[in-house]
Amino acid sequence: KAGVTQTPRYLIKTRGQQVTLSCSPISGHRSVSWYQQTPGQGLQFLFEYFSETQRNKGNFPGRFSGRQFSNSRSEMNVSTLELGDSALYLCASSSLLTAKNTEAFFGQGTRLTVV
Amino acid sequence: DQQVKQNSPSLSVQEGRISILNCDYTNSMFDYFLWYKKYPAEGPTFLISISSIKDKNEDGRFTVFLNKSAKHLSLHIVPSQPGDSAVYFCAANKGAQKLVFGQGTRLTINP
Repeated sequence: KAGVTQTPRYLIKTRGQQVTLSCSPISGHRSVSWYQQTPGQGLQFLFEYFSETQRNKGNFPGRFSGRQFSNSRSEMNVSTLELGDSALYLCASSSLLTAKNTEAFFGQGTRLTVV
Repeated sequence: DQQVKQNSPSLSVQEGRISILNCDYTNSMFDYFLWYKKYPAEGPTFLISISSIKDKNEDGRFTVFLNKSAKHLSLHIVPSQPGDSAVYFCAANKGAQKLVFGQGTRLTINP
């Protein structure tokens, strides 16, 4: 069973540009969550999508947005990039077919550097 | 509002000894707790979890303890091995809601 796939692995962008990151969840998983990891800040929750609907949202500005497609693949977009957006962006998928707790499985992340 | 806190940013333990990583939470509604391990340049990998109806869960060298009255959980690794050197994140949630992570603790196992 293939794991969570994130593309690209590394990205360098200039301030003011926009960027789109992609995440393909584990087959059969319908929930995709996005996290930002920066040194000393742990994993900051961005948003979660379930069946193409944003179900949860973290405390990030509107420059951060996302979407999920019918095949559960998800994209995250950051517009008007700032230097502080440099981080490792992680995607996690989980089945959540029922209300039962379940662990999330993470991709390897996309390392975004804004210069 | 940091609902899940790991107050020790780093921990250094000698190989073969016990490593104890701690985590505190504030939301009494959480009913599921997890530990993840993360190596540099990789995503976190699930390690072990515990439901709020239990106070202990064991998996090989890893044991998680939950103290609901203190809103505290801990991860014990025994014996510690060099390959255990990584950043460990605790996380919590309720039902199908989002996972809330702590800031992480960097564990270093010294030979």
